[in-house]
Amino acid sequence: GNSVTQMEGPVTLSEEAFLTINCTYTATGYPSLFWYVQYPGEGLQLLLKATKADDKGSNKGFEATYRKETTSFHLEKGSVQVSDSAVYFCALSAGAGGTSYGKLTFGQGTILTVHP
Amino acid sequence: GAGVSQSPRYKVAKRGQDVALRCDPISGHVSLFWYQQALGQGPEFLTYFQNEAQLDKSGLPSDRFFAERPEGSVSTLKIQRTQQEDSAVYLCASSLGGRAVWFQETQYFGPGTRLLVL
Repeated sequence: GNSVTQMEGPVTLSEEAFLTINCTYTATGYPSLFWYVQYPGEGLQLLLKATKADDKGSNKGFEATYRKETTSFHLEKGSVQVSDSAVYFCALSAGAGGTSYGKLTFGQGTILTVHP
Repeated sequence: GAGVSQSPRYKVAKRGQDVALRCDPISGHVSLFWYQQALGQGPEFLTYFQNEAQLDKSGLPSDRFFAERPEGSVSTLKIQRTQQEDSAVYLCASSLGGRAVWFQETQYFGPGTRLLVL
């Protein structure tokens, strides 16, 4: 079956530090890949996505590249801010064909805390 | 336009009680998903509706869990005879539901209902 593995947290950084959160996946076919973020007291919201190999998703200074050869979708940001403190979830949606209907398979989440 | 809303936000139930959790998706969204999120874990799929049709209920953990979306908009997740292991946050998400690209679509999540079974 499909699965997503994220680097274990929590991750604690100082403001303006470089961020990487690793994500690898197992899936049949060609899944779409997503990063969702959950800010304190808020619901899950999409951060970025990529729907085919070598696509780069980007938003709010965050980037992730869909690497089919390494089955990875690592999240990066060059300079984090205190406001980036949140829980980050990597997820996949199985590709065309089959009957997955777009349901998401999530990783376990990575807690990020950024200090001033 | 409003986002996805869920009610109640918090629910405390005694073991054995029945509970009903409501989800109001974004207007016009065809697809509706329910997920269960245990503490410290990522959400796990429960069930999927396309309009009023429940097309996938493979994630429902037992026959105590039942979901419906009778008019293709509001959905209710019902848990009968609640157990302590049912304690979790229940998330509802909706998406446009375009047939050709459903696996690429963004899902919009509600704030969740936190269920605590004592």
